[in-house]
Amino acid sequence: KAGVTQTPRYLIKTRGQQVTLSCSPISGHRSVSWYQQTPGQGLQFLFEYFSETQRNKGNFPGRFSGRQFSNSRSEMNVSTLELGDSALYLCASSQGGPTYEQYFGPGTRLTVT
Amino acid sequence: DAKTTQPTSMDCAEGRAANLPCNHSTISGNEYVYWYRQIHSQGPQYIIHGLKNNETNEMASLIITEDRKSSTLILPHATLRDTAVYYCIVRGGWSNTGKLIFGQGTTLQVKP
Repeated sequence: KAGVTQTPRYLIKTRGQQVTLSCSPISGHRSVSWYQQTPGQGLQFLFEYFSETQRNKGNFPGRFSGRQFSNSRSEMNVSTLELGDSALYLCASSQGGPTYEQYFGPGTRLTVT
Repeated sequence: DAKTTQPTSMDCAEGRAANLPCNHSTISGNEYVYWYRQIHSQGPQYIIHGLKNNETNEMASLIITEDRKSSTLILPHATLRDTAVYYCIVRGGWSNTGKLIFGQGTTLQVKP
């Protein structure tokens, strides 16, 4: 079974721009969660989508948004990029219940200049 | 905030067992203990999880104390490829679906 895939793997953007990252979950998984990882803050939960609905949300500003499509693929968008948004963005998929394990993709490395 | 406490770093000799402790004294009855690891700059990798019984899979064993306030992840024969940051996470309940709260984890260095 194919794992979680994320595209692109690397991205360089300029302050003020916006960016869209994509995540394809493991086949059959209906939940996709997004995380941001920085050296200073570690791994932080952004949000979770299940059956095209946002089911859980972390403490990030509204510039961070996401969506999920009917095939469970998910995208996250960051608008008006700031230097502090430079991070590794990870998505994880699971079957969706509260105790199912999550499987992570390789991440997208975003650099904001 | 993370509900777990782990040592910042540990060393282990290659071929020996690595025992990684985790304290979770405020764990609730419906919460599970999960272990993930992250090798440098890769996505975290699921290792194992359990509720109250000891668990074993092809990667590791998980020992949870009877009062469930602490646990130990055991890598039976550590290799250099097991060098990683190991995260112990407590999770459960429908209000936290899809949400893993990561602490700082334990950096395990396996040495030859």
